[in-house]
Amino acid sequence: QVQLVQSGAEVKKPGASVKVSCKASGYTFTSYDINWVRQATGQGLEWMGWMNPNSGNTGSAQKFQGRLTMTRNTAISTAYMELSSLRSEDTAIYYCARVVGPIDYWGQGTLVTVSS
Amino acid sequence: DIQMTQSPSSLSASVGDRVTITCRASQGIRNDLGWYQQKPGKAPKRLIYAASSLQSGVPSRFSGSGSGTEFTLTISGLQPEDFATYYCLQHYNYPPLTFGGGTKVEIK
Repeated sequence: QVQLVQSGAEVKKPGASVKVSCKASGYTFTSYDINWVRQATGQGLEWMGWMNPNSGNTGSAQKFQGRLTMTRNTAISTAYMELSSLRSEDTAIYYCARVVGPIDYWGQGTLVTVSS
Repeated sequence: DIQMTQSPSSLSASVGDRVTITCRASQGIRNDLGWYQQKPGKAPKRLIYAASSLQSGVPSRFSGSGSGTEFTLTISGLQPEDFATYYCLQHYNYPPLTFGGGTKVEIK
């Protein structure tokens, strides 16, 4: 069965970077885009960006451009999301998600806390 | 970018009620829309895709309709396990993806 398993919770200081992993199983990793979505506490879902695991092509929402980097390691079917220059407003749960018209599978989420 | 306006933002309902949630797109999106249910502390779960197709394993009391700019999620006969937050998501011009603001369904 399709699974997306994310890395564990992180606590970071303002200005630092965080890198979250998303390991895919149960399907051919390079066949479907992986997207990243975040959710601040008590708030709605916010789309961050996309990656084609086959080509490595990526794109992000304008508000994250310059701070968001998405990469992958196809040998281990894992996608990565790195967000830099963290600020308190980046405290949220970060989800990876497989996009099949539209999102069909989600990771379990990774809590990133930004605090001094 | 396409904007998705979801209403209401919250509602109170009783077990057995029929509940309707609406999403309006800022431009036509054909039927490129999904509906998701999210419970506290959990990732969203897809209920509906292509505006009206029921995801495998989802109870038939959930249904979706609409095309173009106006879409509806209906829960016919609300059950205790249906109290959650619901989101629409458009993928017409992916990327990007655009979510509605969410509707929290609470117990009356």
